[in-house]
Amino acid sequence: DQQVKQNSPSLSVQEGRISILNCDYTNSMFDYFLWYKKYPAEGPTFLISISSIKDKNEDGRFTVFLNKSAKHLSLHIVPSQPGDSAVYFCAASANAGGTSYGKLTFGQGTILTVHP
Amino acid sequence: DSGVTQTPKHLITATGQRVTLRCSPRSGDLSVYWYQQSLDQGLQFLIQYYNGEERAKGNILERFSAQQFPDLHSELNLSSLELGDSALYFCASSDSGSNYNEQFFGPGTRLTVL
Repeated sequence: DQQVKQNSPSLSVQEGRISILNCDYTNSMFDYFLWYKKYPAEGPTFLISISSIKDKNEDGRFTVFLNKSAKHLSLHIVPSQPGDSAVYFCAASANAGGTSYGKLTFGQGTILTVHP
Repeated sequence: DSGVTQTPKHLITATGQRVTLRCSPRSGDLSVYWYQQSLDQGLQFLIQYYNGEERAKGNILERFSAQQFPDLHSELNLSSLELGDSALYFCASSDSGSNYNEQFFGPGTRLTVL
């Protein structure tokens, strides 16, 4: 049972344009969401996060949007740069109740390629 | 560089053997997490330790065990290895403040079981 899904295995974008990566979740207990970027032969790198009490969080070129009613979040990268080419994972955690303290559930990842 | 170190980088061993993977968290981080990334399963949470005590458990096999030592480094022990245990094993750490969800990952240990 995959509780966090990234339905697009890959995305190709031209440099300077917007990249939109999508993520859906099924567990209504999730209350904190994160995006990680991963280059080959490296561990995932934390990018940006959002709490369920917000619907948007912005950090430079990266913005995460959360739609709780649709159980959907997205990561926008504007403008996209060739160095953004990597695998992007969304992750979620359920913190209320204290039983899943810090445990992250990851999606399968989306390979982003930004062409010069 | 996340500040999380993992050794060894690569490990090749045979079925039935036992291996130990080591992780040193970022300075000051009390929580350590272990994840397994295999081709068909993605990143799967295995286990979490906080200041030496087990805090949360995921789909960790009984053949696998972990511990966190007083200096906060952690070891993941994998025994009776099977071909299907071949994967990337990541360690992550986080602080105990309000940003505890934001985990910082090490470079991983690639385990190959032949």
